[in-house]
Amino acid sequence: GAVVSQHPSWVICKSGTSVKIECRSLDFQATTMFWYRQFPKQSLMLMATSNEGSKATYEQGVEKDKFLINHASLTLSTLTVTSAHPEDSSFYICSAYSLRNEKLFFGSGTQLSVL
Amino acid sequence: RKEVEQDPGPFNVPEGATVAFNCTYSNSASQSFFWYRQDCRKEPKLLMSVYSSGNEDGRFTAQLNRASQYISLLIRDSKLSDSATYLCGVGYYGGSQGNLIFGKGTKLSVKP
Repeated sequence: GAVVSQHPSWVICKSGTSVKIECRSLDFQATTMFWYRQFPKQSLMLMATSNEGSKATYEQGVEKDKFLINHASLTLSTLTVTSAHPEDSSFYICSAYSLRNEKLFFGSGTQLSVL
Repeated sequence: RKEVEQDPGPFNVPEGATVAFNCTYSNSASQSFFWYRQDCRKEPKLLMSVYSSGNEDGRFTAQLNRASQYISLLIRDSKLSDSATYLCGVGYYGGSQGNLIFGKGTKLSVKP
């Protein structure tokens, strides 16, 4: 089946620093990838839709200047949390849609802890 | 009303029991339906797609009721390893392919 690789798996950083998370589709091309955030015992909340070669589409309430998304190739999307604060601590997960499989595959997630 | 709703549980059942979860959706234009399994601090893994005619995969049976706008997941002969949170995902006409709305998940705990 299709594989989506996400790293790092976890990161601890100081308040005010920026953190970059990578999401790669390993054996298929993904023109569209998705970024979610999940707080403990909460649902996956879609943050933004990442479109290859164009600007990301952000969900209401998500600051595009704080959560920078770059989808420069058909297999890689990155999410940068700029000037992270403790309230940004969460589980961030990416996903990519495989046209071949007609299914959505998830990365393994990144646990971000901001001190 | 939330777009996709699930009973959060937890459902605590003994091994061998049969358990069923429901997931309701509010958008009648929804076109695709999935059940995912998520273990603690892990990514969701696709359990099965849900088709209009209903579908079965081993001990798991999924059904769709468009009239009442809900999907269900039935697990027979529960195993300890079935303990997890089960998320339903709903896609809709006009959305990007793969853009699913997820419920909060239903937690299942299977006890010896």
